[in-house]
Amino acid sequence: DTAVSQTPKYLVTQMGNDKSIKCEQNLGHDTMYWYKQDSKKFLKIMFSYNNKELIINETVPNRFSPKSPDKAHLNLHINSLELGDSAVYFCASSQGSGTGYQETQYFGPGTRLLVL
Amino acid sequence: AQSVTQLGSHVSVSEGALVLLRCNYSSSVPPYLFWYVQYPNQGLQLLLKYTSAATLVKGINGFEAEFKKSETSFHLTKPSAHMSDAAEYFCAVSDMNRDDKIIFGKGTRLHILP
Repeated sequence: DTAVSQTPKYLVTQMGNDKSIKCEQNLGHDTMYWYKQDSKKFLKIMFSYNNKELIINETVPNRFSPKSPDKAHLNLHINSLELGDSAVYFCASSQGSGTGYQETQYFGPGTRLLVL
Repeated sequence: AQSVTQLGSHVSVSEGALVLLRCNYSSSVPPYLFWYVQYPNQGLQLLLKYTSAATLVKGINGFEAEFKKSETSFHLTKPSAHMSDAAEYFCAVSDMNRDDKIIFGKGTRLHILP
């Protein structure tokens, strides 16, 4: 029944590890996004995909690599985790072109990543 | 490039009082404007959006916002606050350039006092 789901909900790991966060949407949307929300609640887009094609790729370290096996899934893989990667990561989806410029975005519940 | 400023990182109102959350934007072309709400430990949820139709936009949960071009503002209001309105509220802007992305403000935490 959940529209946008993310796993895991919580992720605690050591510096230097590699981890993945998975996202799935059952809304039939063409576009999916990853956002990072820092400790001050600042929300910043990282990536967007439209029909498995990368549309937005913000200034994000190349340790972060999104992968979209199909338009219902957008996973985020993070290599060599650093302390500064600790944040809440939100997946979202919408209809439309991939920039989200006018579409309503539907957000997942977030993945709380803590790097020790 | 567009930007959005939310005045006040924390706002407290009494239950039953008027809620006013301020948002000012900057955009070189006509903007699209959004308000999202984030309840504790949840993702964001759209409250309302302005996409160049009526300047007074009504959203869910009794919220509304008015687009004022002369003031470059899109303030969010609700006539009577309810305890369940306590949350983080984000204003966001994009423009009609389809190649540009949505930009979120830094959020305003709304506290409701009993």
